[in-house]
Amino acid sequence: DAKTTQPPSMDCAEGRAANLPCNHSTISGNEYVYWYRQIHSQGPQYIIHGLKNNETNEMASLIITEDRKSSTLILPHATLRDTAVYYCIVSSGGLTGKLIFGQGTTLQVKP
Amino acid sequence: DAGITQSPRHKVTETGTPVTLRCHQTENHRYMYWYRQDPGHGLRLIHYSYGVKDTDKGEVSDGYSVSRSKTEDFLLTLESATSSQTSVYFCAIAGTEKFYEQYFGPGTRLTVT
Repeated sequence: DAKTTQPPSMDCAEGRAANLPCNHSTISGNEYVYWYRQIHSQGPQYIIHGLKNNETNEMASLIITEDRKSSTLILPHATLRDTAVYYCIVSSGGLTGKLIFGQGTTLQVKP
Repeated sequence: DAGITQSPRHKVTETGTPVTLRCHQTENHRYMYWYRQDPGHGLRLIHYSYGVKDTDKGEVSDGYSVSRSKTEDFLLTLESATSSQTSVYFCAIAGTEKFYEQYFGPGTRLTVT
């Protein structure tokens, strides 16, 4: 599975959009981009995933560049409850459904 | 919330003793996973299962074994606990069609003294 690079931490003002970048320059054609988040002391929570098209759901939007070497998770109106560690994962999944979590980005939403 | 529970939720044990953690699901999901989480290391995969009696190693499997004799239960065993296995252990489940959408349990905090 391709390796990902994320900034270790970011701040965002409450009510503003939070844009979390992820670099995955070695991604291969059958690998998806997945985003999870982990709120303090809880288990991680799935947010969104995509292959090459932009995706949106009730939680967030995922923008994947045309060459698929990077992506951005967008939380359109961040709240204090969005403070968490956000993980970008690249995987083909395959038979095992295995996902490898990296270090992630700690997003601090400030009032 | 997905029907996934872990037991015990907290455990303190001594070095050298065997420990078994249990993950139980009511979703009939195919995939089950055990992770550990430590400060500075993030979430690391220990073992996973893709069906009854089908298990495989993850990133940090040394010192751990697993068993899955029925769909709903996935057991993680530390044969002889060491202080380096002090950690928070998370179990996760995922369905066949949406293996990428893993649902995590509440975690077990294990302390080995």
